[in-house]
Amino acid sequence: AQSVTQLGSHVSVSEGALVLLRCNYSSSVPPYLFWYVQYPNQGLQLLLKYTTGATLVKGINGFEAEFKKSETSFHLTKPSAHMSDAAEYFCAVTTNSGYSTLTFGKGTMLLVSP
Amino acid sequence: EAGVTQFPSHSVIEKGQTVTLRCDPISGHDNLYWYRRVMGKEIKFLLHFVKESKQDESGMPNNRFLAERTGGTYSTLKVQPAELEDSGVYFCASSQQGRNSPLHFGNGTRLTVT
Repeated sequence: AQSVTQLGSHVSVSEGALVLLRCNYSSSVPPYLFWYVQYPNQGLQLLLKYTTGATLVKGINGFEAEFKKSETSFHLTKPSAHMSDAAEYFCAVTTNSGYSTLTFGKGTMLLVSP
Repeated sequence: EAGVTQFPSHSVIEKGQTVTLRCDPISGHDNLYWYRRVMGKEIKFLLHFVKESKQDESGMPNNRFLAERTGGTYSTLKVQPAELEDSGVYFCASSQQGRNSPLHFGNGTRLTVT
């Protein structure tokens, strides 16, 4: 079985500050890892994904995440927060070499203040 | 191209009533998925269609839930009779053929059972 833990249901940052959203996973086989974002009244949008290869992956809107096998982590970062980054972020894992059956974390709401 | 469309966006029904949610996937997408997020909890997989066939329905909570995808186009998810614990946001997603095709999510249907 696989699971995802996102530390912090809410994270608050100031505009221009570093964004760090934490994700730890549990998987008995090599994982595929994802970050999704949900803006208000919208669906889930894929930010970035790790499948194989380079462990530092870059996504849309300046976000990136690093797969650390030894720490079973896939934390999401952005050097400088924008007001438009305010949204809910979900980490997800799948281990069946496909994207269909994703296991999601509980989500982290990112609040950005001026 | 049009995205994944879900109807209705919101539904409020009383316990014991029936509700039918609809999902129109992106044209040409053979894979269609239903996920659900109960308040404060993770987004959980419900089932997966490949064209009109149910590929995996391991996440369906009980036999009060019935999903169909006649003709391999749009899908419906019926809850009959609805219970209070069925309240949540129901997401639909679709993808092209191929196990590693990315999922495209709809905006979700928020179901409230009173």
